[in-house]
This record gives sequence, C-alpha cells and structure tokens, in this order.
Amino acid sequence: DQQVKQNSPSLSVQEGRISILNCDYTNSMFDYFLWYKKYPAEGPTFLISISSIKDKNEDGRFTVFLNKSAKHLSLHIVPSQPGDSAVYFCAARWRGGNKLVFGAGTILRVKS
Amino acid sequence: NAGVMQNPRHLVRRRGQEARLRCSPMKGHSHVYWYRQLPEEGLKFMVYLQKENIIDESGMPKERFSAEFPKEGPSILRIQQVVRGDSAAYFCASSPTQGQNSPLHFGNGTRLTVT
Repeated sequence: DQQVKQNSPSLSVQEGRISILNCDYTNSMFDYFLWYKKYPAEGPTFLISISSIKDKNEDGRFTVFLNKSAKHLSLHIVPSQPGDSAVYFCAARWRGGNKLVFGAGTILRVKS
Repeated sequence: NAGVMQNPRHLVRRRGQEARLRCSPMKGHSHVYWYRQLPEEGLKFMVYLQKENIIDESGMPKERFSAEFPKEGPSILRIQQVVRGDSAAYFCASSPTQGQNSPLHFGNGTRLTVT
C-alpha cells in the first residue's frame, strides 16, 4: 500500500531549464511534506519542506508547491544545473507522528 | 558538528552469520530511525527509537531483526542468521524532537551484502 507515490521513475532536463518533480499522496492525515536529494553511495540530504497550512515554500532555486485538495505536491528547480542530477525522494509525515513515509524516488538527469 | 555517523560503510556476511550495524546520531539528537533501501526501491521505515526505548517497530521483520539505542553509545541494528534477501542499504536518521516540523538527517548508510 503505497501512501506516497512518485509516478515518474526518471526525468531528463536541459541545463538552465526548469525541473518539475511530482508526488501524490493518499492519506489526508499527512500534514508535513519534505523533499530529499540522494547521490549514489550517500545518504538522502534534506532539501526543502512544507507544512499543510501553506501552499508554497521557496528556498533559492527550489520551490515546493502543495495542493491539498488534489493531494499533490511538486518540486520546482529553476534553473536546473548538472549538479542537481540525483535521485529525488518525496516524503510525508502524519500529524503528530514521527516517522517519514517515502516515495520510490525520481531520477533527475540535467544535461549540459 | 558531525552529522549522523554510520559504520561500517560496507559489510559482507555469509548466509547464516550475524550483521551488526551502528549509528551515532547528530549531537543533540535523541531520536533515531532506521530505514532500509532495497535495490531499485525507495526507503522503507523499519524502527524508531529514543534512548533506551523502542517507540515504533512497525516496519521491522518479525524474526531475526532487532534494534537498540542504549543510554550510552550508538544505536545498533542487529540482523541474525542473514539471508540473501537482507542485502540492502541500511540508513540511519536522527532528529532532535518528535512530531514537530523538523526533518530527519540521514547518515551515508551501511551497504550489507550477503553472499
């Protein structure tokens, strides 16, 4: 039972353009959402998060959008850089909970 | 300020042996989580611990797997009588608090290979 879904296994983008990574969730009790980036042979690194009371959060080149009615969030990277090439994981936490539930990840390749 | 430290980075065990994976959380963090990533899959929650207490072990296999986080020293994930299906990357994460809007910080993982 996948509660957090990343339906695109991979995405290829030209350097300088926008990368949009998508994530859907099924459990309406999730109230905190995060994006992590992972390079091979390393652990996931926290990128950006958003609480369910917001619909947008921005940090430099990274913006996360949350659409609660559609149970959908997205990560926008503008402009994309070759160093952004990695696996991106979406994660969610229940209200008052502790553990994170992860999606399967999307491989982003930024071509120079 | 050191991050989450995991050792060993790589561990090779023969079927039937025991594997011990260690995790030292970030300084000031008292909450530890263990996740497993099988090849071509995402991260699956295994167990959540605070000092001397297991809070949530809903993701732990019923047999052969155990975890502890003693008052002193690192958290240990122990796998007894390993099988080939245990081959995976095991990640530890820590956080300073529970249930608030704070991310988990991950270590670089232990890659277990069972031959």
